[in-house]
Amino acid sequence: DTEVTQTPKHLVMGMTNKKSLKCEQHMGHRAMYWYKQKAKKPPELMFVYSYEKLSINESVPSRFSPECPNSSLLNLHLHALQPEDSALYLCASSQAGRGLVDSLNNEQFFGPGTRLTVL
Amino acid sequence: GESVGLHLPTLSVQEGDNSIINCAYSNSASDYFIWYKQESGKGPQFIIDIRSNMDKRQGQRVTVLLNKTVKHLSLQIAATQPGDSAVYFCAEKVGGTSYGKLTFGQGTILTVHP
Repeated sequence: DTEVTQTPKHLVMGMTNKKSLKCEQHMGHRAMYWYKQKAKKPPELMFVYSYEKLSINESVPSRFSPECPNSSLLNLHLHALQPEDSALYLCASSQAGRGLVDSLNNEQFFGPGTRLTVL
Repeated sequence: GESVGLHLPTLSVQEGDNSIINCAYSNSASDYFIWYKQESGKGPQFIIDIRSNMDKRQGQRVTVLLNKTVKHLSLQIAATQPGDSAVYFCAEKVGGTSYGKLTFGQGTILTVHP
């Protein structure tokens, strides 16, 4: 299985709602990522988890709360979002070696994304 | 800040032609580069990668060239097909960490006409 899956595919939410995005992979990858992609722009890194621990937070507002309950799952909890948060949210996974040699082989596999609209 | 960028935002070619997509990067510490293809409504799809100790790598119909002297990366697609129409992103990563923070370039829209 070389696939990263994301649910839901589409999500519409109001600014007072609480929702969650889900990501799953069964490739044995121990690094998982959340990216945000606005229309006609490149993906921008939000969070990185390595061995189920948050390793990188790219100064993301606290209304986005990531969670990695186990090595196969990654969630993104959303609360009190703004209309400008509307975007495609991409999950990715990769191997997570512990040395420089390993780091040269960590191709990131992306899921199809969740298209989020905040009203 | 340091960034990855592209020379050409759009590229139109005829089916069967060869395509070349260029990318400039400014972080001399980057040691791993990836080309991704993103079709409409989908996530980025890995095409080919290259390490900084290489200057050329070939895949099926694709070749990536790396010129570290001028910090330039290119993707060559042979016999371009309509199914190759997509946005192409280059991405760079700095080594030293065991997992990669990829920085993406702005993207090039490739349109292949039948």
